[in-house]
Amino acid sequence: EAGVTQFPSHSVIEKGQTVTLRCDPISGHDNLYWYRRVMGKEIKFLLHFVKESKQDESGMPNNRFLAERTGGTYSTLKVQPAELEDSGVYFCASSQLWTNNEQFFGPGTRLTVL
Amino acid sequence: DAKTTQPTSMDCAEGRAANLPCNHSTISGNEYVYWYRQIHSQGPQYIIHGLKNNETNEMASLIITEDRKSSTLILPHATLRDTAVYYCIVRFLGNNDMRFGAGTRLTVKP
Repeated sequence: EAGVTQFPSHSVIEKGQTVTLRCDPISGHDNLYWYRRVMGKEIKFLLHFVKESKQDESGMPNNRFLAERTGGTYSTLKVQPAELEDSGVYFCASSQLWTNNEQFFGPGTRLTVL
Repeated sequence: DAKTTQPTSMDCAEGRAANLPCNHSTISGNEYVYWYRQIHSQGPQYIIHGLKNNETNEMASLIITEDRKSSTLILPHATLRDTAVYYCIVRFLGNNDMRFGAGTRLTVKP
């Protein structure tokens, strides 16, 4: 069974540009989460989807970040326009519905904003 | 979710047991204790979780004190590949997001 995959693994962009990160959860997992770790900080929760609906987006830092999960399968996280402080590693995780046990994390996307 | 306190770093000799402590003195009755780890350049990995009773799986054992104010993750025979940052997380059953702290950086030495 394939794990959570994220694309790209690395992205280097200039300040003001737009970047879109993609996450493919484990097949059948209705819960999908985005987290990020910015330089020197702890891993922080961004938002949570249940299928295609945003269940909790309390961790989204500002309106430059837009997450979507059309059709309830893969998800995208768009940063527009990117700022220097957005640099970090963005993780996606998924889990089955009706369980609060294990969240499976992807390898992350390392975003560098120059 | 309750706050957790972990040592910043620990060392362990290869082949020996690694015992990682976590304090969660404000834990409430229906909060679970979870342990994850992050090996360098990888995503966090689930290890184990528990509520009141001690738990064991193929990776580790979790010992929770009777008053539930602290717990210990035990890696029975640490290997070099267990070198990672270990996170103790306390969360309610209804909360789906994981609140990571700073964790403990475990270094297993030959």
